[in-house]
Amino acid sequence: EVLLQQSGAELVRPGSSVKISCKASGYTFTDYYMHWVKQRPEQGLVWIGRINPANGNTVYAEKFKSKATLTADKSSNTAYMQLSSLTSEDTATYFCTIWENWGQGVMVTVSS
Amino acid sequence: DIQMTQSPASLSASLGETVTIECLASEDIYSNLAWYQQKPGKSPQLLIYYANSLNDGVPSRFSGSGSGTQYSLKINSLQSEDVSIYFCQQNYDSPPTFGGGTKLELK
Repeated sequence: EVLLQQSGAELVRPGSSVKISCKASGYTFTDYYMHWVKQRPEQGLVWIGRINPANGNTVYAEKFKSKATLTADKSSNTAYMQLSSLTSEDTATYFCTIWENWGQGVMVTVSS
Repeated sequence: DIQMTQSPASLSASLGETVTIECLASEDIYSNLAWYQQKPGKSPQLLIYYANSLNDGVPSRFSGSGSGTQYSLKINSLQSEDVSIYFCQQNYDSPPTFGGGTKLELK
């Protein structure tokens, strides 16, 4: 069974950074791009970017190029996304996904 | 970026009814179109890929069709568990983009 297990909810201060994780199991980690998707409360889905876990190559949506940094650790089958310079606009749920399967989502709340 | 326009934004239907959700792409996406179901507080689940291929485990009352820029998701014989938000997504060109969603409720 494919599982994407994400880290827990985060409450962070404006201007800070946060790093969330996505541990994959049940498939060969390096065979699929890992995508990250943002969903603000009661809103739609926005693609942030993707990483090829086999070689670390990344592609970002234009608006997230200076916001998100994607990495992957093949030794632990874990993908990471770091979000920097956080503002209230970053308050959202963040999903990792290989499209056929999705993590449960991480709610990031930016508040002082 | 390819824009995905989904309609209607909300839909109310009765049990057993057939419903159709539409998705219009701003350019030809050559059937690279997926449909997802998202229940409240849950992550999206893939229903349909490549416009008309049913994902494993998805009930056969769901079906997808379309080509070019116009696509649709049909749900036959609506069940209570189908109450969800449905999204279309194009993955023909980067960045992948989603429709705004259709909230399906029971009448």
